[in-house]
Amino acid sequence: DQQVKQNSPSLSVQEGRISILNCDYTNSMFDYFLWYKKYPAEGPTFLISISSIKDKNEDGRFTVFLNKSAKHLSLHIVPSQPGDSAVYFCAASVVYGQNFVFGPGTRLSVLP
Amino acid sequence: DAGITQSPRHKVTETGTPVTLRCHQTENHRYMYWYRQDPGHGLRLIHYSYGVKDTDKGEVSDGYSVSRSKTEDFLLTLESATSSQTSVYFCAIRGGQGSHEQYFGPGTRLTVT
Repeated sequence: DQQVKQNSPSLSVQEGRISILNCDYTNSMFDYFLWYKKYPAEGPTFLISISSIKDKNEDGRFTVFLNKSAKHLSLHIVPSQPGDSAVYFCAASVVYGQNFVFGPGTRLSVLP
Repeated sequence: DAGITQSPRHKVTETGTPVTLRCHQTENHRYMYWYRQDPGHGLRLIHYSYGVKDTDKGEVSDGYSVSRSKTEDFLLTLESATSSQTSVYFCAIRGGQGSHEQYFGPGTRLTVT
């Protein structure tokens, strides 16, 4: 049973609009969350993170929101650009744990 | 970019043959990881290492072994490859104290025929 879920396998958004990628988790011990972006034939690259002491973290066009009571986080990309087209993975861990659990990924397509 | 390389980048092998994948880092990081990526599953942890000669199993370790004799190298071995081990394999490293982010290598595409 997947502990980290990304229920939308794919998402298409118009250039300049907002992209919202969602992630749900089941393990209440998870306390630290990351988003990774992956282009074809490359390794995933770290995008942004958030710990449970925050409900929002922002880095340029990227904002991650965390709702601990709902066990839900989301990644907002504003404005979306064609170069944002990639697969996005959500990952979670216990704060002092060594390992992350990854979701299955959401493929984002930003249309010009 | 984190200094992580993986070799080979592509490999085709036959069922029953042994295969070793290599991960090399130049960052002197303590933690190293092997993942496999399959459609619908995202990245799943195979084995990880928290120091030289210190390794542990991950979520999908059956059929795989690892070794780490030097800080910079982490080897993943499939003792007898099976078709279910056809996948893309990624190595990752994690930095020191207080660092949570993992940095990934470019991946190895393995096909077992």
